[in-house]
Amino acid sequence: GAVVSQHPSWVICKSGTSVKIECRSLDFQATTMFWYRQFPKQSLMLMATSNEGSKATYEQGVEKDKFLINHASLTLSTLTVTSAHPEDSSFYICSAGTGTNVLTFGAGSRLTVL
Amino acid sequence: QKEVEQNSGPLSVPEGAIASLNCTYSDRGSQSFFWYRQYSGKSPELIMSIYSNGDKEDGRFTAQLNKASQYVSLLIRDSQPSDSATYLCAVVNSGGYQKVTFGTGTKLQVIP
Repeated sequence: GAVVSQHPSWVICKSGTSVKIECRSLDFQATTMFWYRQFPKQSLMLMATSNEGSKATYEQGVEKDKFLINHASLTLSTLTVTSAHPEDSSFYICSAGTGTNVLTFGAGSRLTVL
Repeated sequence: QKEVEQNSGPLSVPEGAIASLNCTYSDRGSQSFFWYRQYSGKSPELIMSIYSNGDKEDGRFTAQLNKASQYVSLLIRDSQPSDSATYLCAVVNSGGYQKVTFGTGTKLQVIP
């Protein structure tokens, strides 16, 4: 089946630094990928839709200058959390559409900002 | 606001019993419905998809959809301790699959 690889699985960084998370579709091309954020005991919240070769579409309330998304190829999307702060600590998950409205998720990246 | 509502639980069932998980949604235009299982600290994985009214069975899992009542459920037969996880109901809104809305999830505990 379709596989979405996400890296790193966990990262710890100091406040004020930037962190990049990669999301790759391993055996298919994904023109669209989605980035979600999940805080403890809460549901997944869509942050943005990443479109290959064009600008990402951000959901209301998500700062596009803080969460930089790049989708340079059909198999790779990256999320960069710039100037991270402790409140950005969360579980970030990417996904890609792999069927009729079906989403396949990456393994997720747990970010801890000290 | 398009919403997906689930009881947060925990729902505790003995091993071998049937677990019943429920979900209601607000967008009448929704056409696609999914159940994802999420183990603690892990990413969600797809369990079932259902698109039309009625029941859909896959092994021990049965998804039920009633669009008139805006209700979707998941039944797990012969529950196993390994089924203990949070189950997320996901609804694709009428805006297409980039508009997937997730419920907050129901935590299921299967007691050996």
